[in-house]
Amino acid sequence: AQKVTQAQTEISVVEKEDVTLDCVYETRDTTYYLFWYKQPPSGELVFLIRRNSFDEQNEISGRYSWNFQKSTSSFNFTITASQVVDSAVYFCALIPNQAGTALIFGKGTTLSVSS
Amino acid sequence: GAVVSQHPSRVICKSGTSVKIECRSLDFQATTMFWYRQFPKQSLMLMATSNEGSKATYEQGVEKDKFLINHASLTLSTLTVTSAHPEDSSFYICSARDPSTGGGNTIYFGEGSWLTVV
Repeated sequence: AQKVTQAQTEISVVEKEDVTLDCVYETRDTTYYLFWYKQPPSGELVFLIRRNSFDEQNEISGRYSWNFQKSTSSFNFTITASQVVDSAVYFCALIPNQAGTALIFGKGTTLSVSS
Repeated sequence: GAVVSQHPSRVICKSGTSVKIECRSLDFQATTMFWYRQFPKQSLMLMATSNEGSKATYEQGVEKDKFLINHASLTLSTLTVTSAHPEDSSFYICSARDPSTGGGNTIYFGEGSWLTVV
């Protein structure tokens, strides 16, 4: 079965705090892709990162960083020095490497950053 | 600019009427598109997989006669909500995989459509 679990439903932090959003996935496929999306109140999905299952290097992009660990089937997302504009719902998603298959989303984590 | 365009972004319709939402891939040919529905404070739930030139594949629990999907060309898929009711009010969003890039795992989303049935 394919599944993505985001155990944190809501997180509230104060500006400049670091925050980590957890993502645990399940799949039997050896080749798959993991994604993170940001969804602001307007609704559109903003692509943040895609990682394939053979690339376990951590990634840093500005204040964002991702920690991919196949041993624990986790793909966690950290925002450093959070800002109010980071407030949104964040989704982790999985797609197996099979043509014609759709993204499988976690339930999402609502991040609220207050000033 | 947008690679997948979805229209309309917001629509209000009367109960009992039908409404059509379009999803277009602008820079690539999408043999497969996906339709999701998202209720407030919930995740995106896959409704159906739209295949160009053939019937859509619906997820369990999604009424195919109520949510008509047509994928008549390689760049356009449409979702028609027939005989809409207030409980159909939701955010609908489409996505498409670009088969020519990233091992076929470059995925683009439309902007989404807010449907309100009154």
